Amino acid sequence: GPKVLQIPSHQIIDMGQMVTLNCDPVSNHLYFYWYKQILGQQMEFLVNFYNGKVMEKSKLFKDQFSVERPDGSYFTLKIQPTALEDSAVYFCASSLGTGQLYFGEGSKLTVL
Amino acid sequence: GEQVEQLPSSLIVQEGASVLINCSYTDSASVYFPWYKQEPGKRLQFIIDIRSNMERKQTQRLTLLFDKKTKHLSLHITATQPGDSAIYFCSASKANSAGNKLTFGIGTRVLVRP
Repeated sequence: GPKVLQIPSHQIIDMGQMVTLNCDPVSNHLYFYWYKQILGQQMEFLVNFYNGKVMEKSKLFKDQFSVERPDGSYFTLKIQPTALEDSAVYFCASSLGTGQLYFGEGSKLTVL
Repeated sequence: GEQVEQLPSSLIVQEGASVLINCSYTDSASVYFPWYKQEPGKRLQFIIDIRSNMERKQTQRLTLLFDKKTKHLSLHITATQPGDSAIYFCSASKANSAGNKLTFGIGTRVLVRP
Protein backbone atom coordinates (compact mmCIF):
# COMPACT_ATOMS: atom_id res chain seq x y z
CA GLY A 1 0.00 0.00 0.00
CA PRO A 2 0.97 3.68 0.00
CA LYS A 3 3.94 4.47 2.20
CA VAL A 4 5.08 7.50 4.16
CA LEU A 5 8.85 7.76 4.38
CA GLN A 6 10.70 9.40 7.26
CA ILE A 7 14.30 10.54 7.35
CA PRO A 8 16.31 10.08 9.52
CA SER A 9 15.18 6.94 11.31
CA HIS A 10 17.36 7.82 14.26
CA GLN A 11 19.17 10.99 15.33
CA ILE A 12 21.24 11.79 18.38
CA ILE A 13 21.98 15.44 19.16
CA ASP A 14 23.12 17.61 22.01
CA MET A 15 20.61 19.71 23.93
CA GLY A 16 20.26 23.17 22.43
CA GLN A 17 21.05 22.09 18.88
CA MET A 18 18.56 22.29 16.04
CA VAL A 19 17.06 19.20 14.43
CA THR A 20 14.94 18.77 11.32
CA LEU A 21 12.87 15.65 10.82
CA ASN A 22 11.80 14.97 7.25
CA CYS A 23 8.69 13.28 5.98
CA ASP A 24 7.83 12.26 2.44
CA PRO A 25 4.03 11.83 2.52
CA VAL A 26 1.85 9.79 0.18
CA SER A 27 1.93 11.64 -3.13
CA ASN A 28 -1.71 12.73 -3.55
CA HIS A 29 -2.42 13.34 0.12
CA LEU A 30 -3.48 16.76 1.31
CA TYR A 31 -3.27 16.61 5.11
CA PHE A 32 -0.07 16.07 7.03
CA TYR A 33 0.48 15.32 10.70
CA TRP A 34 3.17 14.90 13.31
CA TYR A 35 2.70 12.73 16.40
CA LYS A 36 5.08 12.23 19.33
CA GLN A 37 5.52 9.04 21.33
CA ILE A 38 7.65 8.79 24.43
CA LEU A 39 8.64 5.20 25.23
CA GLY A 40 5.84 3.37 27.03
CA GLN A 41 3.37 6.22 26.64
CA GLN A 42 0.53 7.07 24.33
CA MET A 43 1.13 8.49 20.89
CA GLU A 44 0.13 12.14 21.08
CA PHE A 45 -0.93 14.60 18.41
CA LEU A 46 1.41 17.51 17.78
CA VAL A 47 0.16 19.32 14.70
CA ASN A 48 -1.69 19.01 11.43
CA PHE A 49 -1.03 20.93 8.24
CA TYR A 50 -3.14 21.59 5.18
CA ASN A 51 -2.82 23.87 2.18
CA GLY A 52 0.43 25.33 3.44
CA LYS A 53 -0.88 26.18 6.90
CA VAL A 54 -1.00 24.77 10.39
CA MET A 55 -4.63 23.88 11.02
CA GLU A 56 -4.45 22.72 14.60
CA LYS A 57 -1.71 22.18 17.16
CA SER A 58 -1.59 20.71 20.63
CA LYS A 59 0.02 22.14 23.75
CA LEU A 60 2.95 19.79 23.09
CA PHE A 61 3.75 21.85 19.99
CA LYS A 62 5.98 24.33 21.79
CA ASP A 63 7.23 27.63 20.38
CA GLN A 64 10.51 25.89 19.54
CA PHE A 65 8.66 23.67 17.05
CA SER A 66 7.85 24.60 13.48
CA VAL A 67 6.53 22.77 10.43
CA GLU A 68 6.60 23.51 6.74
CA ARG A 69 6.33 21.89 3.35
CA PRO A 70 8.18 24.16 0.93
CA ASP A 71 7.11 23.70 -2.72
CA GLY A 72 5.51 20.30 -2.15
CA SER A 73 8.75 18.67 -1.06
CA TYR A 74 9.34 17.11 2.35
CA PHE A 75 7.00 17.94 5.20
CA THR A 76 9.42 18.91 7.95
CA LEU A 77 9.34 19.25 11.72
CA LYS A 78 12.04 21.53 13.03
CA ILE A 79 12.92 21.85 16.71
CA GLN A 80 15.15 24.78 17.63
CA PRO A 81 16.55 24.65 20.25
CA THR A 82 16.06 21.08 21.43
CA ALA A 83 15.49 20.14 25.07
CA LEU A 84 15.93 16.84 26.92
CA GLU A 85 12.17 16.29 27.02
CA ASP A 86 12.06 16.33 23.22
CA SER A 87 13.57 12.83 23.20
CA ALA A 88 10.88 10.63 21.65
CA VAL A 89 9.85 8.90 18.47
CA TYR A 90 8.19 11.31 16.07
CA PHE A 91 5.70 9.84 13.62
CA CYS A 92 4.65 11.58 10.46
CA ALA A 93 1.32 10.73 8.84
CA SER A 94 -0.67 11.86 5.84
CA SER A 95 -4.25 11.53 4.67
CA LEU A 96 -6.29 12.35 1.62
CA GLY A 97 -9.12 13.81 3.68
CA THR A 98 -10.80 12.98 6.96
CA GLY A 99 -10.35 9.24 6.56
CA GLN A 100 -7.51 6.84 7.11
CA LEU A 101 -4.10 8.14 8.12
CA TYR A 102 -0.97 6.53 6.71
CA PHE A 103 1.99 6.56 9.07
CA GLY A 104 5.73 6.51 8.59
CA GLU A 105 8.02 4.26 10.60
CA GLY A 106 9.04 7.05 12.93
CA SER A 107 12.14 9.10 13.61
CA LYS A 108 13.71 8.37 16.96
CA LEU A 109 15.22 11.51 18.44
CA THR A 110 17.64 11.30 21.35
CA VAL A 111 18.64 14.59 22.97
CA LEU A 112 21.67 14.35 25.25
CA GLY B 1 -9.99 17.10 25.64
CA GLU B 2 -10.72 13.63 24.37
CA GLN B 3 -9.37 10.69 26.35
CA VAL B 4 -9.17 7.14 25.04
CA GLU B 5 -8.74 4.18 27.37
CA GLN B 6 -7.90 0.62 26.34
CA LEU B 7 -8.14 -2.63 28.21
CA PRO B 8 -6.43 -4.92 28.70
CA SER B 9 -2.94 -3.45 28.38
CA SER B 10 -1.59 -6.82 27.31
CA LEU B 11 -2.71 -10.38 26.73
CA ILE B 12 -1.31 -13.71 25.65
CA VAL B 13 -3.34 -16.27 23.73
CA GLN B 14 -2.73 -19.59 22.06
CA GLU B 15 -2.84 -19.68 18.27
CA GLY B 16 -6.41 -20.21 17.09
CA ALA B 17 -8.02 -18.54 20.08
CA SER B 18 -9.97 -15.28 19.97
CA VAL B 19 -8.99 -11.91 21.35
CA LEU B 20 -11.21 -9.12 22.68
CA ILE B 21 -9.89 -5.58 23.13
CA ASN B 22 -12.04 -2.94 24.79
CA CYS B 23 -11.83 0.78 24.19
CA SER B 24 -13.72 3.72 25.68
CA TYR B 25 -13.67 7.41 24.87
CA THR B 26 -14.97 10.53 26.60
CA ASP B 27 -15.83 13.14 23.97
CA SER B 28 -19.31 12.68 22.50
CA ALA B 29 -18.23 14.83 19.53
CA SER B 30 -15.90 12.06 18.31
CA VAL B 31 -17.33 10.43 15.18
CA TYR B 32 -14.57 8.37 13.63
CA PHE B 33 -12.72 5.48 15.26
CA PRO B 34 -9.84 3.87 13.37
CA TRP B 35 -7.78 1.03 14.80
CA TYR B 36 -4.13 0.48 14.06
CA LYS B 37 -1.72 -2.37 14.55
CA GLN B 38 2.00 -1.94 15.16
CA GLU B 39 4.37 -4.86 14.87
CA PRO B 40 7.75 -4.48 16.58
CA GLY B 41 9.89 -1.89 14.82
CA LYS B 42 7.32 -1.26 12.09
CA ARG B 43 4.93 1.53 11.17
CA LEU B 44 1.35 1.79 12.41
CA GLN B 45 -0.86 -0.09 10.03
CA PHE B 46 -4.56 0.67 9.65
CA ILE B 47 -6.71 -2.42 10.24
CA ILE B 48 -10.33 -1.34 10.59
CA ASP B 49 -12.46 1.71 11.33
CA ILE B 50 -16.02 2.60 12.20
CA ARG B 51 -18.05 5.79 12.15
CA SER B 52 -20.54 6.82 14.77
CA ASN B 53 -23.54 6.11 12.52
CA MET B 54 -22.70 2.39 12.54
CA GLU B 55 -22.88 -0.28 15.25
CA ARG B 56 -20.81 -3.02 13.71
CA LYS B 57 -18.17 -3.56 11.06
CA GLN B 58 -16.54 -6.81 10.02
CA THR B 59 -13.61 -7.62 7.78
CA GLN B 60 -12.25 -11.16 7.54
CA ARG B 61 -11.20 -12.08 11.11
CA LEU B 62 -11.91 -8.67 12.64
CA THR B 63 -15.23 -7.51 14.10
CA LEU B 64 -15.57 -4.01 15.51
CA LEU B 65 -18.56 -3.13 17.68
CA PHE B 66 -19.53 0.41 18.59
CA ASP B 67 -21.93 1.62 21.29
CA LYS B 68 -22.53 5.36 21.02
CA LYS B 69 -24.58 5.49 24.21
CA THR B 70 -21.84 4.05 26.41
CA LYS B 71 -18.98 5.48 24.32
CA HIS B 72 -17.48 2.04 24.04
CA LEU B 73 -15.88 -0.01 21.29
CA SER B 74 -14.66 -3.56 21.20
CA LEU B 75 -12.41 -5.27 18.67
CA HIS B 76 -12.76 -9.00 18.30
CA ILE B 77 -10.06 -10.98 16.49
CA THR B 78 -10.90 -14.61 15.71
CA ALA B 79 -8.67 -17.55 14.77
CA THR B 80 -5.53 -15.73 15.83
CA GLN B 81 -2.18 -16.45 14.17
CA PRO B 82 1.37 -15.65 15.34
CA GLY B 83 1.38 -12.82 12.78
CA ASP B 84 -1.34 -11.11 14.80
CA SER B 85 1.21 -10.48 17.55
CA ALA B 86 1.47 -6.69 17.78
CA ILE B 87 0.31 -3.66 19.72
CA TYR B 88 -3.24 -2.67 18.82
CA PHE B 89 -4.27 0.97 19.13
CA CYS B 90 -7.78 2.34 19.37
CA SER B 91 -8.20 5.98 18.34
CA ALA B 92 -10.92 8.60 18.13
CA SER B 93 -11.37 11.67 15.99
CA LYS B 94 -13.83 14.46 15.36
CA ALA B 95 -12.72 14.30 11.70
CA ASN B 96 -13.61 17.85 10.80
CA SER B 97 -12.39 20.18 8.09
CA ALA B 98 -9.03 20.55 9.87
CA GLY B 99 -8.26 16.98 8.95
CA ASN B 100 -8.25 13.98 11.16
CA LYS B 101 -6.63 14.61 14.53
CA LEU B 102 -6.51 11.25 16.26
CA THR B 103 -6.44 10.70 20.01
CA PHE B 104 -4.88 7.32 20.72
CA GLY B 105 -5.25 4.85 23.50
CA ILE B 106 -2.09 3.51 25.10
CA GLY B 107 -2.36 0.28 23.15
CA THR B 108 -2.97 -3.39 23.87
CA ARG B 109 0.00 -5.68 23.44
CA VAL B 110 -1.15 -9.02 22.00
CA LEU B 111 1.10 -12.06 21.92
CA VAL B 112 -0.10 -15.13 20.03
CA ARG B 113 1.79 -18.27 20.95
CA PRO B 114 2.16 -20.93 18.21
